[in-house]
Amino acid sequence: EDQVTQSPEALRLQEGESSSLNCSYTVSGLRGLFWYRQDPGKGPEFLFTLYSAGEEKEKERLKATLTKKESFLHITAPKPEDSATYLCAVKGNFNKFYFGSGTKLNVKP
Amino acid sequence: EAGVAQSPRYKIIEKRQSVAFWCNPISGHATLYWYQQILGQGPKLLIQFQNNGVVDDSQLPKDRFSAERLKGVDSTLKIQPAKLEDSAVYLCASSLMVGGNTEAFFGQGTRLTVV
Repeated sequence: EDQVTQSPEALRLQEGESSSLNCSYTVSGLRGLFWYRQDPGKGPEFLFTLYSAGEEKEKERLKATLTKKESFLHITAPKPEDSATYLCAVKGNFNKFYFGSGTKLNVKP
Repeated sequence: EAGVAQSPRYKIIEKRQSVAFWCNPISGHATLYWYQQILGQGPKLLIQFQNNGVVDDSQLPKDRFSAERLKGVDSTLKIQPAKLEDSAVYLCASSLMVGGNTEAFFGQGTRLTVV
């Protein structure tokens, strides 16, 4: 059964303190791994898509990487405005779009 | 480019009442998803449409939930009768096609409170 697990559930960082969020997955025939950001009261906002192991994508202070079993979202020198819930989703052979439970990031100034 | 539109934004109903949510996807997007997001959890897929056909509805509680997508564009999700545990945000998303590795774009969601 396709499954997505994110850790940690919550993460508190000081401004400038770099860290990583983890997304581990089991899926039949990965067609894509997706990272989203969700602010309170809003729908998820698309960040990255990764398709194959070894692939990396960057956007401002965020960098996403992918292996055969997991993906990491690295946050370098975060700012308070990076505070949000980060969601990971996978699409497998059956084209279902499964989400993890998310990591709630809080960056203190 | 206009995003995914959902209405209403908020709805409060009593248990056993019925409610309907509306979604207008991004123009040209063939795939439409409805998700349920309970507070503190990730979105849970309820139903997935490809044009006006159902691709997957395995997690839709069919005894009380129904959804349709007329003419392959707009969609409605209905709950009848509602239960307290249906309190959640209902998110609609669309993507260009189901077979490709394309991302989904989300609307703002409808926050449902059942009292």
